[in-house]
This record gives sequence, C-alpha cells and structure tokens, in this order.
Amino acid sequence: EDQVTQSPEALRLQEGESSSLNCSYTVSGLRGLFWYRQDPGKGPEFLFTLYSAGEEKEKERLKATLTKKESFLHITAPKPEDSATYLCAVQSNSGNTPLVFGKGTRLSVIA
Amino acid sequence: DAGVIQSPRHEVTEMGQEVTLRCKPISGHDYLFWYRQTMMRGLELLIYFNNNVPIDDSGMPEDRFSAKMPNASFSTLKIQPSEPRDSAVYFCASSLGRPLQETQYFGPGTRLLVL
Repeated sequence: EDQVTQSPEALRLQEGESSSLNCSYTVSGLRGLFWYRQDPGKGPEFLFTLYSAGEEKEKERLKATLTKKESFLHITAPKPEDSATYLCAVQSNSGNTPLVFGKGTRLSVIA
Repeated sequence: DAGVIQSPRHEVTEMGQEVTLRCKPISGHDYLFWYRQTMMRGLELLIYFNNNVPIDDSGMPEDRFSAKMPNASFSTLKIQPSEPRDSAVYFCASSLGRPLQETQYFGPGTRLLVL
C-alpha cells in the first residue's frame, strides 16, 4: 500500500529563517511526487511535480527536491505570506492510480 | 475560467438527513475527483470519474455515500442518511487528460457539519 508521511506536523518560523519540510514515501514504483499548498478555508493549490530522484524545481522562495525515499520542500527566507499547510502526494506507476496524500505540514511564519 | 465550483460552501444538517454536494469542474477537463479532508485522516480520495464514468469508488466509506456525474459539467456527492462522523470538508477536483500528466485543480470545498 502506498504511504506518505510528512514531518513535522507543524513548524513555526521567524521571517527570514530558512527551513525544510520533509515528505517520506513508500510506493511500489514512483510515477510522480506532487507538492500542494493549502490556505485556510481553501482547496489545495498545485506547486510542483517531481518525477525522478535528483530532480529539483523552484518557485520563488520554494525549492522541491526528490530522492528515492523522500522529498524536501526548502523554504528560503520565508515571509508571513508563505504561511499555509503544505501537502505532499505520490502517484504509483501501477496502472492509472490516483494520488495518495500525506497529512501535511502547517507552516507559520511570524513577522 | 472560474475554476472548479462547489456548492454549498457550508452545510449544517441533522443526523439522518440527506446531504447533496455539488461540483462543476473546469470546462474541458475529463477527470473529476471527490475528496474528503479531516484532521485525523487528512485528504482522502473517495471516488473519481473519467469522461463521466466512475473509475474507482473504493474510497467511498459506506453505501450511504453515492456519487453521480450525469454530464461533463456537473457531479454530485450524496450522503443518505448522514451521520456526525461524516463531518468534514469535501473537495472536488478536476484535471485534463491522464491524472499523471496534468495537475489536479481543486475547488474551495464544502464544509459539512452533521449534528
């Protein structure tokens, strides 16, 4: 069974204090790993897709990396507007399977 | 495009009542997904459709839950009878083409409270 574990559950940072969120996964064969951002009262919003170990993608202060067992979402010099819940999801290459989501990391950036 | 539209945004009902949640996917998208989100279990896939046909409903928790997609622009998720443990936020999402190749776009969700 495909599984996704995200850590920490919650993270509180000062503005400008860089850090990383972790997504560990177990999947029979990885087709893709997805990062989403979710603001309170809203649906998840797509950030990145990573397909193979060693791949990296960046968007503003965010950079996502992928290994064979985990993915990291690095946040450089965060701002209060980066506060949100960040969700990780994986898709197996076993048939046309849907995404399996982790429970997310709630990030709070304090000015 | 207005994005994925869900209604109602909030629903409060009493145990035993029927609840119907509605979703309008992004025009042209041929995949539609229904998810449920709770603090305990996170985001769980309930069912998804391709070209209006249900493909996988293994995530539907019980026979009390049913979903339909009568046409490409409308889907419903019905709970009958509702129970307090059904309280959650229900999201609809849509995507174009194969789920892998295309991003899933989520609606704003329906927050359901069953008393």
